[in-house]
Amino acid sequence: AQKVTQAQTEISVVEKEDVTLDCVYETRDTTYYLFWYKQPPSGELVFLIRRNSFDEQNEISGRYSWNFQKSTSSFNFTITASQVVDSAVYFCALSNGGNSGGYQKVTFGIGTKLQVIP
Amino acid sequence: GAVVSQHPSWVICKSGTSVKIECRSLDFQATTMFWYRQFPKQSLMLMATSNEGSKATYEQGVEKDKFLINHASLTLSTLTVTSAHPEDSSFYICSASLGSYNSPLHFGNGTRLTVT
Repeated sequence: AQKVTQAQTEISVVEKEDVTLDCVYETRDTTYYLFWYKQPPSGELVFLIRRNSFDEQNEISGRYSWNFQKSTSSFNFTITASQVVDSAVYFCALSNGGNSGGYQKVTFGIGTKLQVIP
Repeated sequence: GAVVSQHPSWVICKSGTSVKIECRSLDFQATTMFWYRQFPKQSLMLMATSNEGSKATYEQGVEKDKFLINHASLTLSTLTVTSAHPEDSSFYICSASLGSYNSPLHFGNGTRLTVT
């Protein structure tokens, strides 16, 4: 069974502050894939990043960075110098890797609502 | 690229009627489409997974006779809420994938269903 835990349900920060969104996952697959999605108030989920289980390199994209640590089963997301436009619900997700066969199955965390205050 | 169109964006219907929601992948062939339901302040609950040309796989607790899913082509999947009741009111979101385990999901903009 797959499980994704986002312990922070809501976070408020003041603009320009850095913020880290936590994500912890559970899976029995040896190969799996992790994702982050953003859901702005408009409702449409936007894909941000994918990370393979065999690639623990951290990634930076502009103000966004992701820290993947297999040892702690975590895939945390940091926004530096936050902006009001970053206000949204952020979902961490886990896809199976096919070790057990079957179709792709993606499990989402409960989401973290980020509010950036001007 | 990877655009998913979902229609309608919102719909209001009377109790007992059926509502059909369409999900189209506009610029890619979606081997797999997923239907989610999202309650306020809650995560995405996977309802079913549909693969083109085969029957949908429903998650435990989801009534397949109530939520009919059809995936007739690689670019179109439909969800029909039959005999809708007020408790079916929710935000329904479809997503499409190329079908590989590492394929990101591409989401439609969701359908807000209100049953009166």
